[in-house]
Amino acid sequence: KAGVTQTPRYLIKTRGQQVTLSCSPISGHRSVSWYQQTPGQGLQFLFEYFSETQRNKGNFPGRFSGRQFSNSRSEMNVSTLELGDSALYLCASSPRTGNTIYFGEGSWLTVV
Amino acid sequence: GESVGLHLPTLSVQEGDNSIINCAYSNSASDYFIWYKQESGKGPQFIIDIRSNMDKRQGQRVTVLLNKTVKHLSLQIAATQPGDSAVYFCAEIISGTYKYIFGTGTRLKVLA
Repeated sequence: KAGVTQTPRYLIKTRGQQVTLSCSPISGHRSVSWYQQTPGQGLQFLFEYFSETQRNKGNFPGRFSGRQFSNSRSEMNVSTLELGDSALYLCASSPRTGNTIYFGEGSWLTVV
Repeated sequence: GESVGLHLPTLSVQEGDNSIINCAYSNSASDYFIWYKQESGKGPQFIIDIRSNMDKRQGQRVTVLLNKTVKHLSLQIAATQPGDSAVYFCAEIISGTYKYIFGTGTRLKVLA
């Protein structure tokens, strides 16, 4: 089985812009969650989707949003980018909520 | 906020020795725990998990121990190899929340 696939792997954006990151889960996995990883804060939970519904949400501002499609693929969007949004954004999938999650390689976002 | 802590941010171990990475979790309602390994530039990789109805689980060269009395989790790596060099995260899942809480990570350095 192919693993979790995230695109793009690397990107550079300017402050004030917006960005969309994409995640394709492992085949058959219906739960997709997103995490932000920075050296100072570690892995921070953003949100989790199951069957196109957001089931859980972390403590991030409304500039961070996401969605899940009927094929379980997911996107996250960050609007009005700030320098502090520079981070590795990780997507993870699992067969259903609460199971072991498997991570993709992440999307490295640099905001300049 | 809630967090899962690690006692040692960096652990240096001689090649061939055993490594022990510790983790203190905060919520007694957590019923599922996972260890992940993250190599530089990659996403976290699942190593081993344990449910709260167990106190020990063994994998290939790895053993996870769970002490619910003191809310402590450890990962033991036998005969540590250079390829084991990475950052190791523990995660707890609180029953009913489906939300993963990750520790800040411990960097394991294997010395030749």
